[in-house]
Parts: sequence; C-alpha cells; structure tokens
Amino acid sequence: AQSVAQPEDQVNVAEGNPLTVKCTYSVSGNPYLFWYVQYPNRGLQFLLKYITGDNLVKGSYGFEAEFNKSQTSFHLKKPSALVSDSALYFCAVRTPQTGANNLFFGTGTRLTVIP
Amino acid sequence: GAGVSQTPSNKVTEKGKYVELRCDPISGHTALYWYRQSLGQGPEFLIYFQGTGAADDSGLPNDRFFAVRPEGSVSTLKIQRTERGDSAVYLCASSLTGGSTDTQYFGPGTRLTVL
Repeated sequence: AQSVAQPEDQVNVAEGNPLTVKCTYSVSGNPYLFWYVQYPNRGLQFLLKYITGDNLVKGSYGFEAEFNKSQTSFHLKKPSALVSDSALYFCAVRTPQTGANNLFFGTGTRLTVIP
Repeated sequence: GAGVSQTPSNKVTEKGKYVELRCDPISGHTALYWYRQSLGQGPEFLIYFQGTGAADDSGLPNDRFFAVRPEGSVSTLKIQRTERGDSAVYLCASSLTGGSTDTQYFGPGTRLTVL
C-alpha cells in the first residue's frame, strides 16, 4: 500500500520569511514524488517532482523540495514567502513497481502568507 | 499552448439523474486520468485511459460510474442515478505517454452538486 501524509492542515508564515510545507510518505519500493498547488476554483498546478538523482529538486515559482529517503519525507520549501503563495498545497506519490500509473495524494496543507 | 479543459465548470442536478462530464486533454497526450476531490480532501483516482482503452478503472466507486474515450482524445465521465454523496469536484488530468515519470497536468475541474 502507498500513502502520503501532510501532517499540518494549516501553515502560516510572514511575508519574506522562509516557508516549509511537510510531506511524508509510505510506499513499497522507490517513490516518485510530486508537489502541486491549488488556487481557489482552479485545478492543480504542477510545481516539481522527484524521480531520481539529486535529492534537492527545484521547481516553479522559486519552490524547491528535498527528498530524504531515511526520513521518508519530501518537504516543500521556499526561501522567501510571497503573499501570492497563499494557496492549498498537495503532495503526491506514485510507485511504478506497483504497476499503477495514478497519483496518491495527501489531504493538503493550506498555506497563508501574512503581509 | 492550451491546457486541459473541462466542461461544464459547474453542474447542479437532482438525485437520481444522469450526468456527463467532459474532459479535453492537452493535444498529443495519450494518457488521461479522472480524479474526484471531496471537500477538504486530496484528489482520489477514478480511472486511467491509455489511448482509447481504460487501462485501470480500479478507482471507480461502483457501476454507476463509467467513462469513455472513443477517439483517444476527449473523454466523458458518466454518472447514472446520481446520489448526494457524488457531490464533489471532478478533475481530469493528462500526460504525454502515461509513463511513470510523466507529469500529470490537471484541468480546472467540474464541481458537481447533487441535490
């Protein structure tokens, strides 16, 4: 079985401060990990993914994420938050070894950047 | 280029009625996915198409749900005898080949409300 946990329903951060949105996973085999962002009344927008190689992945809008195999984590980070980063963030995992092509999503973390 | 489009954006229906939701994927993408997102939850997989065929329909909750993709492009999700529990946002995604490293690109979703 595969699952994704986003332990924080809500994260608040002041504009200009670094932000972290946490994600941990549980899978059989090697995971492929994804982050998406969802703005109100809009679909999910892809931010970044980890497939293999360098554990630090850089993505859209200045976001990055670090794959940590020993801690089974894939936390999303940004050095300096913007008010426009306020949105709902989803971590997702896929394990190709299972033969499944779909993504398993976490329950989401709502990020609020305070001006 | 054009992204994934979904119509209608909103659909309100009465319990017991039949509904069709349409997805137009990114041109050239052979893989198409349907997900359902309930309030406060992450998207949950419903069905995956590779070309015209349903390669994985393990996420369909029951036989009231059916989807087609007759020409390998546009897909229609069909729900018979709708129930109030079917109320959710239905998301469609497409990817270039359906490979396990592929990025899935999502449409804006159709919000279905069953009264």
